[in-house]
This record gives sequence, structure tokens and C-alpha cells, in this order.
Amino acid sequence: AQSVAQPEDQVNVAEGNPLTVKCTYSVSGNPYLFWYVQYPNRGLQFLLKYITGDNLVKGSYGFEAEFNKSQTSFHLKKPSALVSDSALYFCAYPGNTPLVFGKGTRLSVIA
Amino acid sequence: EAGVVQSPRYKIIEKKQPVAFWCNPISGHNTLYWYLQNLGQGPELLIRYENEEAVDDSQLPKDRFSAERLKGVDSTLKIQPAELGDSAVYLCASSFNPSGEQYFGPGTRLTVT
Repeated sequence: AQSVAQPEDQVNVAEGNPLTVKCTYSVSGNPYLFWYVQYPNRGLQFLLKYITGDNLVKGSYGFEAEFNKSQTSFHLKKPSALVSDSALYFCAYPGNTPLVFGKGTRLSVIA
Repeated sequence: EAGVVQSPRYKIIEKKQPVAFWCNPISGHNTLYWYLQNLGQGPELLIRYENEEAVDDSQLPKDRFSAERLKGVDSTLKIQPAELGDSAVYLCASSFNPSGEQYFGPGTRLTVT
């Protein structure tokens, strides 16, 4: 079955350190992959997407994601974390029903 | 550009009562989605509209849930009667087309007591 998986429920990182939020996919063909962020009491916000081309995708708020076909991964990264990055992050792919979300990873950036 | 607007933001009702949520998508977005999000989980699609046509409602519990998008712009999602298990956040999203990035509203947090 096609899916995305986020293996970590929670990621803690110190402010200023690099952060990685992991996503692996099991999608046939050339996958379209998305990252969304959800701040407390707010709707989801689009961060970035991979469709084709360059494996390193740059998005909003300084985030980027690397598409790795051999590892079937699409990890979200940021070189230097901010406390304001603390939120819930979702990996998603457009399945037969548009946008199937992973279960989410809660990122906590500690000052 | 105005974002996706939803109302109300919060709603508390007793079980067996009806409730309705309203969504106004981004202007020009033909595709509109209703999602349900339980605490600590990712959103799950309830229904997708292309203009005024519901093209994917396989996850919508049709015995109690209904939705409409009469003029292909704003949409209403209704629950009648509500059950305790319906307590969740109901998110509306829109996109220019089905494969484009979706823009989400702030959601309506429903509490059924």
C-alpha cells in the first residue's frame, strides 16, 4: 500500500542546532511529496514540495528537504533551529485521494 | 490575498444536536476539501469538491454527515445528529487544482458533550 511514514513522534533540538524531521515513503512511480507545518491552534501551512528535478527542495521559513530515491526518504531539514519552529510537522503525498498525511512529528526547539 | 476562512472557530454542543461549519476558500481555487483531524494525528479527508461537484466522498459518514458547495465557492459541512466521537478539529482547505499545494483554514474545533 502507498503511504508515508514519520518514524519519530517527537524531536527535541536545542536552538541554533540543525534539525531533521524524518519522512519515508512507499509510493509507486515518481512520488510527489509535501511538507506541512501546524502551529498551535492554527491550520496547516504549506512548507515545500518535491515533484521532480533537483533533489534538494527549498521552502518557507528557511526549511529544505532532500529527496533520496535510494533510501525512499524525504527528510525535512533546517541548518539552525529557532524556538519559533516548535510545531507539528506533517509529511504528505497526493494519493488517489489527494494528500494522505503522515501521523506527524512534534518538534520542540529548546532555548 | 485572503486565506481560507472558516467559521465558527470553536463550537460546543450536546450529543444528538446538529452542527454546521462554513468555509470560504481562496478566490479562484476550484478544489475544496474538508478534513477531520483528531488530536495528535494527521488530517483525514472527508470530502473533496471540484467546483460544485463532490468527486471524492468515500470517507464521509453519510448517515450523519452532509456537505454542499452549491455555487462552487463556499461550502458547508453538517453533522446531524452529532456523537461524542465527532469531537475533533474540522479543517477546510482549497487549491487551484487537485495536484497543487493546499491552503488550509484555521479549522473549527468541535466538542460534543
